Amino acid sequence: SFELTQPPSVSVSPGQTASITCSGDKLGDRYASWYRQKPGQSPVLVIYQDTKRPSGIPERFSGSNSGNTATLTISGTQAMDEADYYCQAWDSGTAVFGTGTKVTVV
Amino acid sequence: QLQLQESGPGLVKPSETLSLTCTVSGGSISSSSYYWGWIRQPPGKGLEWIGCVYYSGSTYYNPSLKSRVTISVDTSKNQFSLKLSSVTAADTAVYYCARVVVDANNWLDPWGQGTLVTVSS
Repeated sequence: SFELTQPPSVSVSPGQTASITCSGDKLGDRYASWYRQKPGQSPVLVIYQDTKRPSGIPERFSGSNSGNTATLTISGTQAMDEADYYCQAWDSGTAVFGTGTKVTVV
Repeated sequence: QLQLQESGPGLVKPSETLSLTCTVSGGSISSSSYYWGWIRQPPGKGLEWIGCVYYSGSTYYNPSLKSRVTISVDTSKNQFSLKLSSVTAADTAVYYCARVVVDANNWLDPWGQGTLVTVSS
């Protein structure tokens, strides 16, 4: 079955760049989406179709997808970006979510 | 602005059927551009796709849950529903509903606030 693997945690200093990877077999042949989930809240879409940002999502969020890896990059990370992040792709009509990455801003 | 709201019992007994409804406001559930989906998240764990429904009633289910899941739509009430049968403690989770935008690929936006369902006697 199709699976997506993310690192459990990423630490970043304020103002620096955080990169979150999402690995899956030939993931680059599919589109990837990314969701941010803050504690006690529901997930929010931050990237869709690999690189597109919904309205209201800051420009510091960007995405890429090639080969077996999709990457979410947060440039100039702020304390408010501390959250869990999930990648997602589709496999035969089923949404598959990544294992999730906790981003800590320290 | 489109909003989704989950509702239903917060406690279900083992072996019984979990039933939840998602009410859509600020837009029509009958749009041809969207599916309507259910996702769940066990406490402290990641997200799991359950399935989705089109306004016509066609459905897609997660193969791992397909034998126990039914998702239906009521366009007259602008609602869609989830039924999960023969529940166990492993089905304890926050259940979210979300709009599935259909395009070159699909994405989930927005999500409801979620509702915690506990399976316990």
